[in-house]
Amino acid sequence: RKEVEQDPGPFNVPEGATVAFNCTYSNSASQSFFWYRQDCRKEPKLLMSVYSSGNEDGRFTAQLNRASQYISLLIRDSKLSDSATYLCVVTVNTGKLIFGQGTTLQVKP
Amino acid sequence: GAVVSQHPSRVICKSGTSVKIECRSLDFQATTMFWYRQFPKKSLMLMATSNEGSKATYEQGVEKDKFLINHASLTLSTLTVTSAHPEDSSFYICSAQAGGEKLFFGSGTQLSVL
Repeated sequence: RKEVEQDPGPFNVPEGATVAFNCTYSNSASQSFFWYRQDCRKEPKLLMSVYSSGNEDGRFTAQLNRASQYISLLIRDSKLSDSATYLCVVTVNTGKLIFGQGTTLQVKP
Repeated sequence: GAVVSQHPSRVICKSGTSVKIECRSLDFQATTMFWYRQFPKKSLMLMATSNEGSKATYEQGVEKDKFLINHASLTLSTLTVTSAHPEDSSFYICSAQAGGEKLFFGSGTQLSVL
């Protein structure tokens, strides 16, 4: 079983739609959780950290459920510029970042 | 914000040659740097953790003699792909950690081995 699992998609949505991505992780000792965004053949960029209490940054909302070992990202009012691959990232106690495969989002006009 | 510079951005080489990729932290000292490899439509896979002044720690399945890592200073780590073969063609990305968990990524190197 992969340490971090994501549905690779692609998710094709119209502009203005709300879309949600899910991620599960296998190591119950995982400590920190992030969503990164990666454009094609570019470096990943930190989108937001994920906390159990949930956190919101503009149109983006992230949620962590430690009991279910599940992380989510919700994007509201999708823009064309949101088209990218979204990587779920988990750190373990060694400090290493473990990346999921990524979920590809295509926002259509 | 912190910047990590990675060079070259793209390299094409013949099979059997060695390729060196540099990763520099420009405005901070990076005690730890990480090297990742990414195949098309796949996730970033950690290859090794590079600590300044000590030997790199390689992930399971990564050949240390093939992927030589040198972290000679707090601002520079290099990855050398020795005797490259077509199956080594991939996107290589470095990241640097100044302290805590935040990582700063280089812009990546696309390696194509003919």
